[in-house]
Amino acid sequence: DGGITQSPKYLFRKEGQNVTLSCEQNLNHDAMYWYRQDPGQGLRLIYYSQIVNDFQKGDIAEGYSVSREKKESFPLTVTSAQKNPTAFYLCASTDPGQRISPLHFGNGTRLTVT
Amino acid sequence: DAKTTQPNSMESNEEEPVHLPCNHSTISGTDYIHWYRQLPSQGPEYVIHGLTSNVNNRMASLAIAEDRKSSTLILHRATLRDAAVYYCILRPPLTTDSWGKLQFGAGTQVVVTP
Repeated sequence: DGGITQSPKYLFRKEGQNVTLSCEQNLNHDAMYWYRQDPGQGLRLIYYSQIVNDFQKGDIAEGYSVSREKKESFPLTVTSAQKNPTAFYLCASTDPGQRISPLHFGNGTRLTVT
Repeated sequence: DAKTTQPNSMESNEEEPVHLPCNHSTISGTDYIHWYRQLPSQGPEYVIHGLTSNVNNRMASLAIAEDRKSSTLILHRATLRDAAVYYCILRPPLTTDSWGKLQFGAGTQVVVTP
């Protein structure tokens, strides 16, 4: 079945360390997204990529970096510059040419930094 | 900033209908309206979308105001499995600069009482 895979489901890191969250999709979608969710809050857009080798900052990109070297992969690095990295991170993809094409989400990675 | 506004929470009794409003007063003529729902500790899942006409599918119905500045997601008979956070977002066309920046608001928490 096609879908989005995020790994790992839970991730623990010490403060000051960079950490990379994985997101892979086999839906052949050009557009991919990273969102952050804090407890009881909605989704906030970190970065998005419309096509391979291209990406744009979302609303809260500071302290994060991404790459889009392959169509199916869009890893997110949480750097030590991110002041409050503990959160639930969600990756999504969609077909940008079809406005009726829904966003497909992974099941998220819960990052805890202590 | 998110382009949609929704109530923080709504309660319903099981087997009763639930009407979830969403205001999108700045919607353009070519934006699609999409609805998603998120169960605890999971990624959001697509529910329904529409442009101008009301829409029905197996999960819900979508009623769109004539001026398109608001819409209502209707769950006809709420079950305990419908307890989730519901989000509405706008999907602009590919021809606009902002098409890729898909922003979610805080959503509406639906509580279903047995």
